[in-house]
Amino acid sequence: GAVVSQHPSWVICKSGTSVKIECRSLDFQATTMFWYRQFPKQSLMLMATSNEGSKATYEQGVEKDKFLINHASLTLSTLTVTSAHPEDSSFYICSAFFVRGGEKLFFGSGTQLSVL
Amino acid sequence: DAKTTQPPSMDCAEGRAANLPCNHSTISGNEYVYWYRQIHSQGPQYIIHGLKNNETNEMASLIITEDRKSSTLILPHATLRDTAVYYCIVRVRNTNAGKSTFGDGTTLTVKP
Repeated sequence: GAVVSQHPSWVICKSGTSVKIECRSLDFQATTMFWYRQFPKQSLMLMATSNEGSKATYEQGVEKDKFLINHASLTLSTLTVTSAHPEDSSFYICSAFFVRGGEKLFFGSGTQLSVL
Repeated sequence: DAKTTQPPSMDCAEGRAANLPCNHSTISGNEYVYWYRQIHSQGPQYIIHGLKNNETNEMASLIITEDRKSSTLILPHATLRDTAVYYCIVRVRNTNAGKSTFGDGTTLTVKP
């Protein structure tokens, strides 16, 4: 199957700093990527849809100024958590939309963010 | 997208078949059934999808009832590595570019 790489796997930062998470589709081009966050023992919550060359579409309740998404190329989307606070600590996961063979989602391995 | 209902948890003996049910009684004619799984602390993994015919691949089989109101994911010979949360998702293809809503899924525990 297609490969999606997410980096870093985990990050610890101080409150008030910004953190950037990268999501790359390694062997296919993805015009659409998605960002999720997941709290312990809960399901994935869709945060935003990242569209190459245009502005991201955010789900209701997600602060677009807090979670900056950039999708500048067909293989890279980034999520920047700005001015992170402890309540932003979570598991963040990206996925890339793969059209061929049935419109599947391929996911990155996730990023565990801990804000101190 | 149609709402799905899955049992919160299931156990299965190693080597036996694991049958995971999903109810999607409000499914529309153009909605597909997708299955993903998430092993602890990892990103989800695509398993299989189908419209109305039964499907099989190297990972699993998908059985969809004739009225399409429910489906069953079958792992024919479960191993300990199949312990994961399994998500059943129903969505229309060719719209929203893959946007999918994940419910609570079924936590499958494969026991030795």
